[in-house]
Amino acid sequence: SAVISQKPSRDICQRGTSLTIQCQVDSQVTMMFWYRQQPGQSLTLIATANQGSEATYESGFVIDKFPISRPNLTFSTLTVSNMSPEDSSIYLCSVRQGEGYTFGSGTRLTVV
Amino acid sequence: AQKITQTQPGMFVQEKEAVTLDCTYDTSDPSYGLFWYKQPSSGEMIFLIYQGSYDQQNATEGRYSLNFQKARKSANLVISASQLGDSAMYFCAMREGADTGKLIFGQGTTLQVKP
Repeated sequence: SAVISQKPSRDICQRGTSLTIQCQVDSQVTMMFWYRQQPGQSLTLIATANQGSEATYESGFVIDKFPISRPNLTFSTLTVSNMSPEDSSIYLCSVRQGEGYTFGSGTRLTVV
Repeated sequence: AQKITQTQPGMFVQEKEAVTLDCTYDTSDPSYGLFWYKQPSSGEMIFLIYQGSYDQQNATEGRYSLNFQKARKSANLVISASQLGDSAMYFCAMREGADTGKLIFGQGTTLQVKP
C-alpha cells in the first residue's frame, strides 16, 4: 500500500493567518482526499483533490476557505485560510488504491 | 439521515476477552464497501478490515473479523483476545458505489481494554 508523508504534524497558529498542509505519496494515485476531524468527532470529508482540475468540495466546505492544489499524481496541499479557533482540528489526507485507503499521519492544528 | 451509525460511544472489555463493536449502514447502491479503522491517541488511522458488498464470506484479518449481515445492513467488528494495545477509537466507514472514492465515517466507538 502507498506510504504518505504529511507535513506539518502539528502547528499552533494565530487567528487570521493561513496554514498549508502537504501530502506526498510514494506512488502515483488517482484519488486523493482531505478530511477534517474536529476534537472528539469523526472524520468529515472536505474535498476530493483532482489532478489537473479544481477540487470537488463537499457541502459546507468552500474553496476560498480550503484551497487545494494537486499538481501531480503524488502530491497535494490543503490550505486552511483566515483561521479561527473553530478551525482547530486534525486534518488528514488519504489516497485510494484499489479497495484500500491509506491515510497520512495527520496535522494537528490549534488556532489561538 | 446518517449513512453510517455506531451506537456505542464507549465500550469496556477485559483483557483476553472478545468484544463486538456495532455498525449499521444505509445505502441503496448494490455496490459498496465497508471498512473498519483504528485510531489510537496518536491520531493515525490504521486500516483493520474490509468487506465488499458482494463478498460471500465474512472478512477476517488476524484477531479481527467482520460480522456482515447484509439484510440487516450491519457490519459489526469482532476483536478476539483483546489486548491492552487495542484501546483506541474505532471507526466504521462506507464507500458507496464502485467508482466513487469517498468514505463516509460513523461517529466512532472508544474501546478501553482493562487489565
